[in-house]
Amino acid sequence: AQSVAQPEDQVNVAEGNPLTVKCTYSVSGNPYLFWYVQYPNRGLQFLLKYITGDNLVKGSYGFEAEFNKSQTSFHLKKPSALVSDSALYFCAVRAGFQKLVFGTGTRLLVSP
Amino acid sequence: DSGVTQTPKHLITATGQRVTLRCSPRSGDLSVYWYQQSLDQGLQFLIQYYNGEERAKGNILERFSAQQFPDLHSELNLSSLELGDSALYFCASSAGQGATNEKLFFGSGTQLSVL
Repeated sequence: AQSVAQPEDQVNVAEGNPLTVKCTYSVSGNPYLFWYVQYPNRGLQFLLKYITGDNLVKGSYGFEAEFNKSQTSFHLKKPSALVSDSALYFCAVRAGFQKLVFGTGTRLLVSP
Repeated sequence: DSGVTQTPKHLITATGQRVTLRCSPRSGDLSVYWYQQSLDQGLQFLIQYYNGEERAKGNILERFSAQQFPDLHSELNLSSLELGDSALYFCASSAGQGATNEKLFFGSGTQLSVL
């Protein structure tokens, strides 16, 4: 069965510093990977996706993610964090015509 | 604004009761998905409908049912409610059947509290 794991419940980073939110996946076949963000009292919003091609995917709000097949990882990154980036981040995977499976989420806290 | 509308935003009810959650997808989207978000279970896929037909089923309890109507809006019915059903229920929509590269657009959710 396909799954994703987000090993960190929370990531703390100071504003202006680079941030990384980790995600590893497990699928049979080619993975299709997504990152979504959830702000307080809001639904999830799409950030970016990896389907094929360049291992570095650029998305919304200055976020990017690096796909690493050998490490089965799809970490979310941003060169310089903003306080407004504080939110809950979900990694998700889909294999074939199957349901989108989400990770448990990582809370990102950016301090001023 | 994602374009997906969910009503009501909050629902408080008692154990044993039945409630209906409503979702209107983005204009033109044919698929509707229901997810349950709770602190202990995370975000769990419940069910997907595509153009009125059930497309995929996840961890949906037998006490729960859903349908998608000809105008493409969807309803999630929860019956014989238990305390553990308290959660945030999200609806999402997508343009197609759920192809690998499709992104989902989420509503703001319905917060269900069972007392």
